[in-house]
Amino acid sequence: GAVVSQHPSRVICKSGTSVKIECRSLDFQATTMFWYRQFPKKSLMLMATSNEGSKATYEQGVEKDKFLINHASLTLSTLTVTSAHPEDSSFYICSAAFTDRSEQYFGPGTRLTVT
Amino acid sequence: GQNIDQPTEMTATEGAIVQINCTYQTSGFNGLFWYQQHAGEAPTFLSYNVLDGLEEKGRFSSFLSRSKGYSYLLLKELQMKDSASYLCAALDSNYQLIWGAGTKLIIKP
Repeated sequence: GAVVSQHPSRVICKSGTSVKIECRSLDFQATTMFWYRQFPKKSLMLMATSNEGSKATYEQGVEKDKFLINHASLTLSTLTVTSAHPEDSSFYICSAAFTDRSEQYFGPGTRLTVT
Repeated sequence: GQNIDQPTEMTATEGAIVQINCTYQTSGFNGLFWYQQHAGEAPTFLSYNVLDGLEEKGRFSSFLSRSKGYSYLLLKELQMKDSASYLCAALDSNYQLIWGAGTKLIIKP
């Protein structure tokens, strides 16, 4: 149990376009979902925490107007990278949890390349 | 500030035992996680410790000492598929995960 999916797994887009990444908890209801970014050979960097039905809480230094997060239901959260630039190229990983205090289950990640 | 320290890289031999250490300094503490991450993939959960002592789960064991701010992950009977990065993460008083940079474990035949 506790399976989290992410779609797409890989995406290549042109600079200036927007990309949406979906994160779904397949077999449980996730009150809280987290979005991470990971650079090569670096640890996970938390971008934002989202609770179903409320606005996401962004970490310091993360532009909320650039990285739009929507957590419309207990099984789906989306991250939209708006006006993407090459420096946004990264590995984006979501995780889902029953509550904000419980174990996180990670999605498989999305490799974004902006050309 | 909050900080997690773990070695950058370790090498071990197939069939042997390896111990990956992690020290943490956090504002409050609500437990420590170990995750395994293969290259290009997302992390997968290995263990969670909140009380002092050793938790054994098959070939993997995790130890915690809260007074020392110290944990280790012990991997026995190493297999080639164990080659991966191992991430240590501590849960602070706000239940936010503070991540270490990960230890890359290289297994040699």
